Amino acid sequence: LAKTTQPISMDSYEGQEVNITCSHNNIATNDYITWYQQFPSQGPRFIIQGYKTKVTNEVASLFIPADRKSSTLSLPRVSLSDTAVYYCLVGDIGQTGANNLFFGTGTRLTVIP
Amino acid sequence: NAGVTQTPKFRILKIGQSMTLQCTQDMNHNYMYWYRQDPGMGLKLIYYSVGAGITDKGEVPNGYNVSRSTTEDFPLRLELAAPSQTSVYFCATTPGQADTQYFGPGTRLTVL
Repeated sequence: LAKTTQPISMDSYEGQEVNITCSHNNIATNDYITWYQQFPSQGPRFIIQGYKTKVTNEVASLFIPADRKSSTLSLPRVSLSDTAVYYCLVGDIGQTGANNLFFGTGTRLTVIP
Repeated sequence: NAGVTQTPKFRILKIGQSMTLQCTQDMNHNYMYWYRQDPGMGLKLIYYSVGAGITDKGEVPNGYNVSRSTTEDFPLRLELAAPSQTSVYFCATTPGQADTQYFGPGTRLTVL
């Protein structure tokens, strides 16, 4: 099981780019990396998923180096509404069971006006 | 299309009481999950189901039971409520094994 390590908290000013790094030293060959966002009093919401190199969608980018032992979620030009907790999950898409369902404590991002 | 619904939104129980947290999805997903989230902490998996009639334990199953008689419903049962079960409970579904999880709004449970 690939556990993950993230910073507990980060602060950023509005309009800046924010990069949140997740370490997953024991990632397995078949594991994918998935990021979720959670606002207070709500369930987590999917942001982005990737396997290697770079993935980009309308919300964020995900950078994964060649060794895949870490990944970086990049949020461009954050706004106050991006204040939330961000979780990194690592798991095998092709494997049945709960191996990919450990959320950890996440990174609490606070965007400052 | 309501997605994932959970009832009740809030509940206060006395120690030793029992209750069932309801979770219903209308997305025809096979996989369903129950998590708990303690204040300031991440989510911990309680139970999950890969289809009707099939359930399995997650990371913290003690004190809970589940059943999955239909694709749509995945109720979570607390038989003897304890203060340690005070938490927010989230239900989630996925179409496949590790696809994007869709979460319900949560149930905030307090055991006094």
